[in-house]
Amino acid sequence: DTEVTQTPKHLVMGMTNKKSLKCEQHMGHRAMYWYKQKAKKPPELMFVYSYEKLSINESVPSRFSPECPNSSLLNLHLHALQPEDSALYLCASSQQGSLSGANVLTFGAGSRLTVL
Amino acid sequence: GQNIDQPTEMTATEGAIVQINCTYQTSGFNGLFWYQQHAGEAPTFLSYNVLDGLEEKGRFSSFLSRSKGYSYLLLKELQMKDSASYLCAAFTGGGNKLTFGTGTQLKVEL
Repeated sequence: DTEVTQTPKHLVMGMTNKKSLKCEQHMGHRAMYWYKQKAKKPPELMFVYSYEKLSINESVPSRFSPECPNSSLLNLHLHALQPEDSALYLCASSQQGSLSGANVLTFGAGSRLTVL
Repeated sequence: GQNIDQPTEMTATEGAIVQINCTYQTSGFNGLFWYQQHAGEAPTFLSYNVLDGLEEKGRFSSFLSRSKGYSYLLLKELQMKDSASYLCAAFTGGGNKLTFGTGTQLKVEL
């Protein structure tokens, strides 16, 4: 299995809703990532988990809450979002421990979020 | 901070060769990656360079000069399906941080 699976593919939510995005990989990767991508823009890093511990938070607002229950799963909990948070949310995973310090990220197809 | 720049748009002809440039200014640089992204799809990995020089993978090649903070992606024998966004990205620090550049939208024409 060489895929990163994200669910749901599409999500519409109101500003008072609570929802979650889910990501799963079975490649044995120990680093997992959340990126946010607006239309015609590059992906922007939000969070990085390394060995199930949060290692990078790019000053993301607290209305986004990541969770890594185990080495295969990554969640992004959403609460009290704003319309400007509407975007494609991409999950990725990579191996750890490359001698060069650079690891290839494998991306999921993304969850397209619309906040009304 | 990190600064990774690419041309916004490029147009090329089917069967031709195109070079997409990327310049970067980052701290703790570990490598330079190239990804392809078709509209509405996930980025897919094309190539990466850690050391200076050229890496060749079929129709795609990537070059890196660490001293100049410069990379390019070379696409040969262009096909219509190569019309996509091409993203360079710098891997920095010890914390698995991959930061994307501004992206180049390539249009391949007949």
